[in-house]
Amino acid sequence: GENVEQHPSTLSVQEGDSAVIKCTYSDSASNYFPWYKQELGKRPQLIIDIRSNVGEKKDQRIAVTLNKTAKHFSLHITETQPEDSAVYFCAAGNSGYSTLTFGKGTMLLVSP
Amino acid sequence: EAQVTQNPRYLITVTGKKLTVTCSQNMNHEYMSWYRQDPGLGLRQIYYSMNVEVTDKGDVPEGYKVSRKEKRNFPLILESPSPNQTSLYFCASTLRGGGSNEQFFGPGTRLTVL
Repeated sequence: GENVEQHPSTLSVQEGDSAVIKCTYSDSASNYFPWYKQELGKRPQLIIDIRSNVGEKKDQRIAVTLNKTAKHFSLHITETQPEDSAVYFCAAGNSGYSTLTFGKGTMLLVSP
Repeated sequence: EAQVTQNPRYLITVTGKKLTVTCSQNMNHEYMSWYRQDPGLGLRQIYYSMNVEVTDKGDVPEGYKVSRKEKRNFPLILESPSPNQTSLYFCASTLRGGGSNEQFFGPGTRLTVL
């Protein structure tokens, strides 16, 4: 089955800095890579996703890059704000089957 | 409002006392799934269902049962709960083949087994 590794487990940055979270996956059949944000006490919510036919996708301050050859993908958050503080999960799956395998999460702390 | 609901939200029980956590979605999604979330271990899939009467094991199915008799409901059953099942549980649903694979999560159920 699929295995997703996520690093780092915690990340502390100053407000305004950039943050990068990296994930690797093992199954070459995976073609869908979403990122979820989970605020304290809340449910995970999708913030951005990318499919394997695209190398990069941006949405305002967040971007995701995908390297299919190396089987890794990354989340980039620019101009971080305190409200970006949360746990972020990467995941990998096959769009035809809906099942996702999640990484263990990264706790991002943005200090004012 | 499109949503996934779970009940109860909080539950404290004792070892061996059967319990059911309900999950319901009103988005006509085919795919539903149960996860447990534990510190340092992320979200681990327990069971999933591709459609009515179709269920399959995820990564950590031991000690759990599910059923999918109706499209909107996907209850999680713990026949004989044990302390190692103390966790935060999330139900999620997805529309298959709709161009998006976004999983919509319920609010979570925090279970404590004494």
